[in-house]
Amino acid sequence: NAGVTQTPKFQVLKTGQSMTLQCAQDMNHNSMYWYRQDPGMGLRLIYYSASEGTTDKGEVPNGYNVSRLNKREFSLRLESAAPSQTSVYFCASIGPDYEQYFGPGTRLTVT
Amino acid sequence: AQSVTQLGSHVSVSEGALVLLRCNYSSSVPPYLFWYVQYPNQGLQLLLKYTSAATLVKGINGFEAEFKKSETSFHLTKPSAHMSDAAEYFCAVIPNQAGTALIFGKGTTLSVSS
Repeated sequence: NAGVTQTPKFQVLKTGQSMTLQCAQDMNHNSMYWYRQDPGMGLRLIYYSASEGTTDKGEVPNGYNVSRLNKREFSLRLESAAPSQTSVYFCASIGPDYEQYFGPGTRLTVT
Repeated sequence: AQSVTQLGSHVSVSEGALVLLRCNYSSSVPPYLFWYVQYPNQGLQLLLKYTSAATLVKGINGFEAEFKKSETSFHLTKPSAHMSDAAEYFCAVIPNQAGTALIFGKGTTLSVSS
C-alpha cells in the first residue's frame, strides 16, 4: 500500500496563476482532508470530505476549491493564487481507528 | 470552539534529560487525543493516541502521554532524550469522537543538545 500520495512535491506560482494539488489514498477510507501548515500556526483545515460526493469547508477555505473525484481521490484547486497561499499543504485520510494518515506534503510558493 | 494549547513553542533539553511537552485541550466531552512528530521537511508521523482506553498511552520511540481529564491535559514525556528526538511536535484532538477533522496545537520545537 502506498498510503496517501500527493503531487506535486514542490510548486512555484506567480500571483494570479491557478493550479490543482492532487491527493490519492489506497486504504479505502471514507473521509479525506486538506490542511495547510504555516510557521507558528500548526496545521489548519481547509476543506474536508466525509464521503464520496460530499465536501465541507474547514477553518480557512477562502481562495480554495475541492473535488472529491471518487473514493480514492481528493483534489485542491487554487483558482487565482495569492502570496498568502504560500504554505505547505497536506492531504490526509482517516481510518476506522480515528488515526489520520498524512501524505508527504506539497510545498507551494506564490511570488 | 474546541481548541488545543501547547505551552512553549520551543523546548530545549540536554541529551539524556527528561522530555516534557505540554498540551491542554478544551472539550466538553473526552475527546480523542493525538501526538504527532514532524522531522524537518517531512510529513507528520503519529507518535501515540488516546481513544478512551487506558489513560497512560505508550507510543513509538519511547514516548508516552497521560490523559488527565480533571486537568484537561495530555502531556507528552520521554525519560531520556536522544539527539534524534529533535523535531517539531504537535498535539491534536478530534473533539467529538465523530470522525471529524483534527484540531492542531501550534506545535513545539524540541531541541536536544549534547
